[in-house]
Order: sequence, then C-alpha cells, then structure tokens
Amino acid sequence: EVQLVESGGGLIQPGGSLRLSCAASGFTVSSNYMNWVRQAPGKGLEWVSVIYSGGSTYYADSVKGRFTISRDNSKNTLHLQMNSLRAEDTAIYYCARSMTTVITLAWWGQGTLVTVSS
Amino acid sequence: DIQMTQSPSSVSASVGDRVTITCRASQGISNWLAWYQQKPGKAPKLLISTASSLQSGVPSRFSGSGSGTDFSLTISSLQPEDFATYFCQQANSFPLTFGGGTKVEIK
Repeated sequence: EVQLVESGGGLIQPGGSLRLSCAASGFTVSSNYMNWVRQAPGKGLEWVSVIYSGGSTYYADSVKGRFTISRDNSKNTLHLQMNSLRAEDTAIYYCARSMTTVITLAWWGQGTLVTVSS
Repeated sequence: DIQMTQSPSSVSASVGDRVTITCRASQGISNWLAWYQQKPGKAPKLLISTASSLQSGVPSRFSGSGSGTDFSLTISSLQPEDFATYFCQQANSFPLTFGGGTKVEIK
C-alpha cells in the first residue's frame, strides 16, 4: 500500500528556513515523479515543485530560488528545503506521487502546516 | 503557464440531484485533465485521470468528459458523502495548474 507521511512543518518567522520531509512506503521514491503541492488556508491548490525519477527538478515561479526539492534514496524520503520564507508561503504542504505514465497526482500525504509569521 | 478556469465556484444541490462542473484550459491539453475531490481537513483525492478514466474505487455516479480545452465533471445522483470541494488540474505539462475549485454544498 502506498503511504506518504509529511513532517517538519511549524511556525517560522519571515526570512527563516524550514525543511519538510515526506516518508514514503509501498514504493520507491527514486523511481517516480514526486511533487510538493501547497494550499493556503481556505484557498485553492498550488503546485510547488517536482523531482523526476532521473533527478531533474522544476519549481513554481513563486518559489524558484528559495525552495529546493531533493530525495534521500537510502531512506526513501522526499524533502523540501524552504529558505527566505514569506508570509505568503503559509500553507499546508502536501507531498504527492505522480502516476506511472502521466503526471497526474494519484497519491497524497496528509499534509504538514507551515505558518510564516512574526 | 496553462491557466485553468473552473465554474461555478460553488453550487447548492440536494441529494439525488445531477451536478455538472466545468473546467476550461487556456490552451489545448488533449485529454490531460484530472479531477480531485477534497473534504475539509483532508488531502485531495484523485477521482478521474485523463479526462474520463475513473479511478479504482470511485463510484460510477462520477464521470468526466471533454478534450482540448473544455472539460466537465458530472455527478449523476448526488449522495451525502459527495458534499466537498472539487478541483480540476491540467496534467499536460509543468507547472501543473489547478482550477479554483467548486464547493458543492447542501441545499
């Protein structure tokens, strides 16, 4: 059974850094496209980043240069390093695995809340 | 980036009603369109991929159609557990983009 469990969220001051983790089970992270998607309180969904099975990475313009997606193959875990955080980064962050043949997000974690506030 | 426009933003309906939600892409995306259901406090759940492919375990009262730029999600007979927010998402290219959501509420 595919499971994704996020951790690392919390309250952080503007300009600070935070590292999110997503522990995966039931499949191999490095063999799949893995994504981060966020949702500001009461708002819609915003795709944040993807790491391809081959290692290429892509980012939304809103986080480019500040966020870094990576994976730890030995721990089957996905990470999102978030630097220079802003109030507008406040959201629930979900990790999501794409389907095998299309980039549709078929499996989601429960999310972790990041609050950027002084 | 491909913009996704979803309508209506909310709909009030009764159990047993037929509900249709539409989604329009700013450029052609073939059939690379997904629909998700999200309940309060929960992660989105994939209902339909590639415009009309129902995911395993999703009730047959849900159906999707469309190609190119215009798509729709239909719930043929609304059930109590279907009251939720629905999002469309283009899966044609990165950055993935979502519609603004449709909240299906109890009339």
